Amino acid sequence: QQQVKQSPQSLIVQKGGISIINCAYENTAFDYFPWYQQFPGKGPALLIAIRPDVSEKKEGRFTISFNKSAKQFSLHIMDSQPGDSATYFCAARPNQGGKLIFGQGTELSVKP
Amino acid sequence: GAGVSQSPSNKVTEKGKDVELRCDPISGHTALYWYRQSLGQGLEFLIYFQGNSAPDKSGLPSDRFSAERTGGSVSTLTIQRTQQEDSAVYLCASSLGQAPKEAFFGQGTRLTVV
Repeated sequence: QQQVKQSPQSLIVQKGGISIINCAYENTAFDYFPWYQQFPGKGPALLIAIRPDVSEKKEGRFTISFNKSAKQFSLHIMDSQPGDSATYFCAARPNQGGKLIFGQGTELSVKP
Repeated sequence: GAGVSQSPSNKVTEKGKDVELRCDPISGHTALYWYRQSLGQGLEFLIYFQGNSAPDKSGLPSDRFSAERTGGSVSTLTIQRTQQEDSAVYLCASSLGQAPKEAFFGQGTRLTVV
């Protein structure tokens, strides 16, 4: 069973702080690792994604760090803002299939 | 709008009844996915359609669940003889082919079985 494990389940950060969410996967045959952001009552929306041949990708305040040997990847949100409060999901796509396998989600709350 | 549209947005049904959930993907998107999100849980994969290929049904939890995609566009997820544990938000997504093409999600159908 291919799995993606995400932690923490919930996270509280002060405004201006760094939010860090971690994911680990159990199968090496993944070729795409996106992060999705979901606000209450909305569907998830793609935030940022990385391929396994890259160790880091940065877009604005959001950075993915990828450690292929450890089978881990993480999302860093710099200068966290109250508007970043949402649920974040990591995901991975198997090499051979189009479906995305999602982590359990992290509920982020950024306090003003 | 040009996004993924799901209907109904909310559905309350009695245990044992059948329900149909509809997904209208973004025009031209060949890939379509169904996921289920239970309270406090992650996104559970249900089924994946890609073009004319046979769908990946490996995530369907039981034979009470089925889905079809007509004409490569609209998809319907059917749950027969609904049970209380089927209560969840059912999310549909579409993309231009397989990932890493971005998957766009609809807002979901909240199903409540009473």
